[in-house]
Amino acid sequence: ILNVEQSPQSLHVQEGDSTNFTCSFPSSNFYALHWYRWETAKSPEALFVMTLNGDEKKKGRISATLNTKEGYSYLYIKGSQPEDSATYLCAFPGTASKLTFGTGTRLQVTL
Amino acid sequence: DAGITQSPRYKITETGRQVTLMCHQTWSHSYMFWYRQDLGHGLRLIYYSAAADITDKGEVPDGYVVSRSKTENFPLTLESATRSQTSVYFCASSRLTSTNEQFFGPGTRLTVL
Repeated sequence: ILNVEQSPQSLHVQEGDSTNFTCSFPSSNFYALHWYRWETAKSPEALFVMTLNGDEKKKGRISATLNTKEGYSYLYIKGSQPEDSATYLCAFPGTASKLTFGTGTRLQVTL
Repeated sequence: DAGITQSPRYKITETGRQVTLMCHQTWSHSYMFWYRQDLGHGLRLIYYSAAADITDKGEVPDGYVVSRSKTENFPLTLESATRSQTSVYFCASSRLTSTNEQFFGPGTRLTVL
């Protein structure tokens, strides 16, 4: 069983704050790490697929970094907005096209 | 381009009844998955399928049955629904890639009374 952990479990920030959270995963046999954004009452949507150590991906105000040697990835949100409120999941690939998901970081951004 | 759809979107049933949740994808993806959303556990894998007529158990398969007679369909059946199966169920699909990227359906909210 793959161990994928996310912290913190939840986060409450004010509009305009920048924030970041962590995903840790097994550092051996690495080939990808996924970030998904999951809004309440919707389905998870892919944000990033990261494959290279040192990789940095960016989509608008959201960016992610990857350290495969130590087994962690950070997701950053710059200048949080209420529409960023969601649960952010990371996922680590396993056999048979499966993904092992972390339990997520629930972000709430208030005015 | 319909992508991946689930039906029904909402279902209320009673304990002991059989319920089938449908999942249909138009991408011809080989792999399909059923997850349930559980508080404190995130997404937990119930069953998955690598191709038509090939299915396998995930993390929480008890009380569920799946079939896959056609590549595009992957129904999930609760043989005798229990209250603990009240959840939101997500279907996902994936083509064979090096990264296992999955695409999710809109979910089915199931309530078992």
